[in-house]
This record gives sequence, C-alpha cells and structure tokens, in this order.
Amino acid sequence: GAGVSQSPRYKVAKRGQDVALRCDPISGHVSLFWYQQALGQGPEFLTYFQNEAQLDKSGLPSDRFFAERPEGSVSTLKIQRTQQEDSAVYLCASSLAHNKNSGNTIYFGEGSWLTVV
Amino acid sequence: EDKVVQSPLSLVVHEGDTVTLNCSYEVTNFRSLLWYKQEKKAPTFLFMLTSSGIEKKSGRLSSILDKKELSSILNITATQTGDSAIYLCAVEARSEKLVFGKGTKLTVNP
Repeated sequence: GAGVSQSPRYKVAKRGQDVALRCDPISGHVSLFWYQQALGQGPEFLTYFQNEAQLDKSGLPSDRFFAERPEGSVSTLKIQRTQQEDSAVYLCASSLAHNKNSGNTIYFGEGSWLTVV
Repeated sequence: EDKVVQSPLSLVVHEGDTVTLNCSYEVTNFRSLLWYKQEKKAPTFLFMLTSSGIEKKSGRLSSILDKKELSSILNITATQTGDSAIYLCAVEARSEKLVFGKGTKLTVNP
C-alpha cells in the first residue's frame, strides 16, 4: 500500500485480556519498528525488525509483550494479560534498509489506540 | 542513556506569528535528527538533518542542526491555525531506532 497500515485503529480490552495489533509496512521496506506513545509523551521505542529478524527488543516493557514478523513483511505486536498501564497508542513505522552515509527516513502508521479497562 | 529534550513543551501564538521550537540531545553514535508533526495519531515526517549548519526549508518551515551545541531548531513563519499540532524531535542513534523528545504542543489561534 501507499503507507504504513495498522489495525485495529481502536481497541478496548478488559484487564487480563490478550490483544494483537497488526502492522502492514510500506511495500519493500526492510526495517520495521514498534513504538508506544502514552498520553502527553513522545513515542518510546519497543522493538525493531530487519526483515524477519528481531534485532532489538530492548524496549519491550515486560515479558507480556511479544512481537513477530515471520515473513519479513506484516508484523504483529501481542500483549498478554493486559494491564491498565498498557493503555497507549502503539505506533508502527517502517523504513528502507539503513544507509550509513545519510541516515534514514522512517514513516509511521496512524497507530492503534489501546484502552485497557 | 540517550536523551532528547524539547522546549517549550507548550506554546500558544496568534496567526501570523513566527515560532521557534528547540531540541537538544545527548546520544551516542549520532546519525541523524528528525522533526515530525503529529496532529492526530501518526507523526508525519518534516525534516531529516545530518549535517551541521545546513538549513532545510519547506514552505514556511525551516530547520537547522548544530552538532557542536547538540541541538536543532524548527522555525515556522507566518503561522496558520493548521500548524496547530505536536512537533516531535527525534534522534537516530545506534541501530536504526529513534529516541524521541516529549514534543512541543503548538496552538495557533485565529
């Protein structure tokens, strides 16, 4: 597609429920990122894929968070046993492979707004 | 720990005013600094800066990077109500991940 597509756009989950958030990156983009943005804050890094390889998951806040990108395109962020503090916008972004000389440009999806009640 | 600090956090101006938004950073292995505009949910790309002292310009928006001062500014001239948004500064450091500031919320009143 023309841009990064995320679904669902809005999700209300009961505390303890599992959720799965989907990201369709821009076609041909090798790198894929997940960010968490709480109200009034800037996005915070969760995890990063290059093709199907998860190269950095240092930002995942707990072992309840899991991300995968099995075929190097679509990615899913799964949150198990959701807690109220998980309420946030989850942003997915993609970019072409890193160019050491000029940095990179990362394009964001519109996000999945998760509310845990 | 990598850190990006934006100021002011909030700014209210009248249409036609000129504004300057600030971003300072402390990161290892700096690669680039990016500015984004966030109106609803998705940050939209404005500028990417890699070289010090070279101004990038797009219409009424311009930005410049100062690697010596570890900072960048985003200028908006002749502001319009449509410029109301949160402006995010991010730095690309090690690997490709971005470290974001908290953003500056700009409100332009008619």
